[in-house]
Amino acid sequence: ETGVTQTPRHLVMGMTNKKSLKCEQHLGHNAMYWYKQSAKKPLELMFVYSLEERVENNSVPSRFSPECPNSSHLFLHLHTLQPEDSALYLCASSQEVGDYNEQFFGPGTRLTVL
Amino acid sequence: SQKIEQNSEALNIQEGKTATLTCNYTNYSPAYLQWYRQDPGRGPVFLLLIRENEKEKRKERLKVTFDTTLKQSLFHITASQPADSATYLCAPQGGANNLFFGTGTRLTVIP
Repeated sequence: ETGVTQTPRHLVMGMTNKKSLKCEQHLGHNAMYWYKQSAKKPLELMFVYSLEERVENNSVPSRFSPECPNSSHLFLHLHTLQPEDSALYLCASSQEVGDYNEQFFGPGTRLTVL
Repeated sequence: SQKIEQNSEALNIQEGKTATLTCNYTNYSPAYLQWYRQDPGRGPVFLLLIRENEKEKRKERLKVTFDTTLKQSLFHITASQPADSATYLCAPQGGANNLFFGTGTRLTVIP
């Protein structure tokens, strides 16, 4: 496989469930990102990792917990979510963080919280 | 705080015409700006990057301008085709590690 892959593509969960989103990049990049995309809103950056170290955390509620075990894999662990957390969750990677680096996005996970 | 505005939520144009999308930003000065295309059900795809010292950038039928005085970028698609129909996202540099994204303009090219 090439590019950035995300699983699952669709997820429906109850507010008391625990689930995880997975992202894998096959581009040899050092930076990975989680974004949230809600209808009529701009992409919201959630977390940034550089070489498995978290370098940015944008005031995201603790019910979202990221994990980056290596530079190719990124997880987003979900627990006790709220209906307003329903959105498209996008993973992206870039060669490095910051300056002039284009980001490569995965197809996203469409999350519905009941 | 920083604000990114893409002036049109939706834009319809006739095939063959030039589409022009606008991105305005306020309260900061990004060193560069990127444009992405997003199709329904898919993640954004990078199109072009323009730096603050570049006035214009071209790639095939795409042209981007960056006016740091007006705090504005224009994105043009010439000889538009129905396959160009998508949402286009403006993304000026945010902080050291990120981009700020606009809400996007949904372009529909009518055959």
